Amino acid sequence: QKEVEQNSGPLSVPEGAIASLNCTYSDRGSQSFFWYRQYSGKSPELIMSIYSNGDKEDGRFTAQLNKASQYVSRLIRDSQPSDSATYLCAVNKRMNTGFQKLVFGTGTRLLVSP
Amino acid sequence: ETGVTQTPRHLVMGMTNKKSLKCEQHLGHNAMYWYKQSAKKPLELMFVYSLEERVENNSVPSRFSPECPNSSHLFLHLHTLQPEDSALYLCASSQEGLGGQETQYFGPGTRLLVL
Repeated sequence: QKEVEQNSGPLSVPEGAIASLNCTYSDRGSQSFFWYRQYSGKSPELIMSIYSNGDKEDGRFTAQLNKASQYVSRLIRDSQPSDSATYLCAVNKRMNTGFQKLVFGTGTRLLVSP
Repeated sequence: ETGVTQTPRHLVMGMTNKKSLKCEQHLGHNAMYWYKQSAKKPLELMFVYSLEERVENNSVPSRFSPECPNSSHLFLHLHTLQPEDSALYLCASSQEGLGGQETQYFGPGTRLLVL
């Protein structure tokens, strides 16, 4: 089992629709969860973090975390063509040294058609 | 701009060359990272430095040699690379000691092509 799993997509939605990006993780001890957006040819850009169970809203975007199910998701309402990108889910993991590192999923490619 | 810069942005090198990638962070962070991103693969963590000490070496071949002279600078020295080492190399930084809420910020990356 991969430490962080995402459907690679592409996830295709029409402009104005809701896009749902999902991520599952294996380490029950993980405390911090991040969504990064990566446009083609660019580096990952942090767009949202979530630490507690429940929903976190930011305009058109909502992050959802369910630690019992080891599941984190990101909803994009009123999807725009500019939302087209690869979305990376990242989960923190504590190493034996006590240091925390991020484990990334392979990313979900989102395509929003006009 | 995330406050993390990388040079060069693009690099083409032969298998016998020696080159270095440079990363600098202007965020006052105390941890820095090197990642490798190949097509259709997840980000691969290569090295982690915390307070200028290496805390993670993720089974990276010795042809990659990191150097962290201070908390703001990180280098990746490259020698006798293979064509399969062609990838996007990303540097990131974070502030450790935040109880698990550490956030990593990425530089723009160096696109490396090994011929």
